[in-house]
Amino acid sequence: KQEVTQIPAALSVPEGENLVLNCSFTDSAIYNLQWFRQDPGKGLTSLLLIQSSQREQTSGRLNASLDKSSGRSTLYIAASQPGDSATYLCAVETSGSRLTFGEGTQLTVNP
Amino acid sequence: NAGVTQTPKFQVLKTGQSMTLQCAQDMNHNSMYWYRQDPGMGLRLIYYSASEGTTDKGEVPNGYNVSRLNKREFSLRLESAAPSQTSVYFCATLRGSEGSITEAFFGQGTRLTVV
Repeated sequence: KQEVTQIPAALSVPEGENLVLNCSFTDSAIYNLQWFRQDPGKGLTSLLLIQSSQREQTSGRLNASLDKSSGRSTLYIAASQPGDSATYLCAVETSGSRLTFGEGTQLTVNP
Repeated sequence: NAGVTQTPKFQVLKTGQSMTLQCAQDMNHNSMYWYRQDPGMGLRLIYYSASEGTTDKGEVPNGYNVSRLNKREFSLRLESAAPSQTSVYFCATLRGSEGSITEAFFGQGTRLTVV
């Protein structure tokens, strides 16, 4: 059974700091890995998707990497802003188009 | 272009009552999903429908039933609500097919409390 773990569970940083969120998964037989953002009381918004054959994806200040063999992904946020405060979740796609989610990292960026 | 629409947004039920959560997508995607989100547990898959006319159990299907009414609509029914079903429920759809998913879209969620 695929299990996805995110560390840390919560993170608080001052504005402007670069930061890294971690995601690990137990079964490397994945099609892709996605990072999502969830604001309080809202649904999930897809940020980045990395196919299993790729090593990284970038969107603006966000960079996600994938090391499928070791079962790890990181989400790097450069020059963090208070507007980046949210919960970040990673999910892997396995057979049957099923997504397995981690518990999320709650990020607070302080002005 | 609404994307994924869930109704209702909030609901309070008494133990033993039944209700149906509605979900509709206007993106012409084949697959649709129901998740529940509980504190510290991430999102867990309840049921999914890979295409119109098919449904399959996910990780936590007990106490729920689903109906894929047509390509647009996928409903989740609680026949006899229990306090353990207090949660936030999300409907989702994926662009692409197995192995070539390109993006996931989520509704805004239904916050359900069973007392």
